Amino acid sequence: QVQLQESGPGLVKPSQTLSLTCTVSGASVSSNNYYWTWIRQAAGKGLEWIGRIYTSGITNYNPSLKSRLIISLDTSKNEFSLNLNSVTAADTAVYHCVRESLHYYMDVWGKGTTVTVSS
Amino acid sequence: QSALTQPASVSGSPGQSITISCTGTSTDIVAYNYVSWYQQHPGKAPKLMIYDVSNRPSGVSNRFSGSKSGNTASLTISGLQAEDEADYYCTSYRSNSDLVFGTGTKVTVL
Repeated sequence: QVQLQESGPGLVKPSQTLSLTCTVSGASVSSNNYYWTWIRQAAGKGLEWIGRIYTSGITNYNPSLKSRLIISLDTSKNEFSLNLNSVTAADTAVYHCVRESLHYYMDVWGKGTTVTVSS
Repeated sequence: QSALTQPASVSGSPGQSITISCTGTSTDIVAYNYVSWYQQHPGKAPKLMIYDVSNRPSGVSNRFSGSKSGNTASLTISGLQAEDEADYYCTSYRSNSDLVFGTGTKVTVL
C-alpha cells in the first residue's frame, strides 16, 4: 500500500521560506512510472497545482510560483521536498504531496499539512 | 494560470443523475485526453474518481462516468446517493507541462 506523509513547520513568518518534506512508503521515488507532486488548497478555496518532479530530477512548476519555488528529490531517503521562498499570507494553505501518473492524474494523496504564514 | 470553469453548485435528489461540466480551452481539454476528476469530502484529501477522460480506477463505483466533447469535459453521477455529497474538481494537462484544476463544484443531495 502506497502512503505519502507530509512534514514540516506549521507556522512560517512572512518573507521567509516554507519547507516541506514528503516521505513515501510502499513505492520508490526512483520509479520511472510516476511524478512526485505538490498540491495546495487555501481554506475554502479550490485546489492548486504547485509543481512536480521526476526521478531524473526534471521539474515542472506552476508559472505563478516558479520564481519562488524549488522541488527536490532525495532517493536515499525516498523523499521529495518543497521549498517556497518569500512567502506571504496568500501562501497559507493545506499542502498535499501526491503521486502523479505519467498521464497526469493523481492516484495517491497525502493527508495534507496545514501551513500558516503569519508573524 | 487560469482555471478550468465548473459550475459552483449542482444538486439532485437521491436516485437521480447529475452532470458536472468542466470547460477549458484549446491548450488543455481540447488538446489532450488527460482529464481527471476528484471527489473531496470536508476535511479530507481528494480522491481520484476518473482518469484519462473516462476511465474509472479500481474500487470506484460505476455510477461515476466521464466524457469529453470539444472544450468541455463532464462527470456524470447516476443513482445519486447521500454519500456523493462532496466537492468535485476536474483537472487537465495543459501545454508547457502545466496541470490546471477546475474551480470546483459542490454537489448537494437534496
